Amino acid sequence: GENVEQHPSTLSVQEGDSAVIKCTYSDSASNYFPWYKQELGKGPQLIIDIRSNVGEKKDQRIAVTLNKTAKHFSLHITETQPEDSAVYFCAARGHGGGNKLTFGTGTQLKVEL
Amino acid sequence: DTAVSQTPKYLVTQMGNDKSIKCEQNLGHDTMYWYKQDSKKFLKIMFSYNNKELIINETVPNRFSPKSPDKAHLNLHINSLELGDSAVYFCASSQDLGGPYGYTFGSGTRLTVV
Repeated sequence: GENVEQHPSTLSVQEGDSAVIKCTYSDSASNYFPWYKQELGKGPQLIIDIRSNVGEKKDQRIAVTLNKTAKHFSLHITETQPEDSAVYFCAARGHGGGNKLTFGTGTQLKVEL
Repeated sequence: DTAVSQTPKYLVTQMGNDKSIKCEQNLGHDTMYWYKQDSKKFLKIMFSYNNKELIINETVPNRFSPKSPDKAHLNLHINSLELGDSAVYFCASSQDLGGPYGYTFGSGTRLTVV
């Protein structure tokens, strides 16, 4: 089945700096890669996603890039703010059907003033 | 209006008890899921249902039994609770099995077995 690795596990940046989180996946047939933000005591919330026929997608301060050849994708957050502090998860939808998402292990992002 | 709602939010119970967690979505989605998040925050799928039909059943002990009375509801019943069942359980939904589609998650049920 699909296997998703995510790093770093923790990331601390100064307010206004950029943050980058990277993920790799194993199933070359995976076709969908969402990113979720989980704040303390809440469920994960979809913040951006990318399909396998697109190399890059941007939404205001966040962007995602996908390299299908290398089987990795990344989340970029620019001009970070304290409210960006949360746990971020990448995920991949493999070819097994059922719209099953396999999640990475999460990155705890801390934005310091 | 909460899109995916789970009850209860917290559940503390003794080993050996039986408990249920309820989930409802008002998004009109066809597909619902249960995920388990352990103490290290790892999210692992347990089950998925599409329009009341079981689609995914991962290697979950048969003490866990999902039930979907209609496509807007997916409940999780757990028999003979063990210490290792302590975790946060998330319900989620997606439009259908096609797409691909992202999930909308509920706010979670923190289960503590003592």
